[in-house]
Amino acid sequence: DAGVIQSPRHEVTEMGQEVTLRCKPISGHNSLFWYRQTMMRGLELLIYFNNNVPIDDSGMPEDRFSAKMPNASFSTLKIQPSEPRDSAVYFCASKRGTHTDTQYFGPGTRLTVL
Amino acid sequence: AQRVTQPEKLLSVFKGAPVELKCNYSYSGSPELFWYVQYSRQRLQLLLRHISRESIKGFTADLNKGETSFHLKKPFAQEEDSAMYYCALLVGTGNNRKLIWGLGTSLAVNP
Repeated sequence: DAGVIQSPRHEVTEMGQEVTLRCKPISGHNSLFWYRQTMMRGLELLIYFNNNVPIDDSGMPEDRFSAKMPNASFSTLKIQPSEPRDSAVYFCASKRGTHTDTQYFGPGTRLTVL
Repeated sequence: AQRVTQPEKLLSVFKGAPVELKCNYSYSGSPELFWYVQYSRQRLQLLLRHISRESIKGFTADLNKGETSFHLKKPFAQEEDSAMYYCALLVGTGNNRKLIWGLGTSLAVNP
């Protein structure tokens, strides 16, 4: 198993552009989490899904951020329009079931907004 | 308030020395705590959880409810322990459970 897959691994874009980050969770996992990591704020939970349904999006910074999970094997995090302060590493994680709590992380996408 | 505090951003020790990474939490419910580790160029991964009462790679962590702490300890640090360590607290009930994370401590073990 390749584990959680994220793409792209690196993204450099200009302010105002739309950015789409992608995640494929581990097969059989039914919970998916999007995190943002910065030096100042550490690891922040943005949103998470159970069985493709968004459960808690209270961590989404503002309306420029949106996330979808159209099926059990794919999720996207979109930023439109992007701003320099969105520069961070974005992680996706998945876990099996609602009563097991070990999260498996992807390699992350390093986003730089110029 | 639900909060995890890791007071040290950076901890530097020599190989063979004992190491303790501090973690304090604030939570009104029954706490479940975890330590995750991120080695250089590797994914963030679970190191240990308090409920398992296990020792992984020589590390242990004891939940102290009186002091609301879950410090990570190892008696003899190794160079390969150099990594970023995150303490996390599980909050919520039923289908709505999520981890609250500390800011992390970067451990450097010097030769």
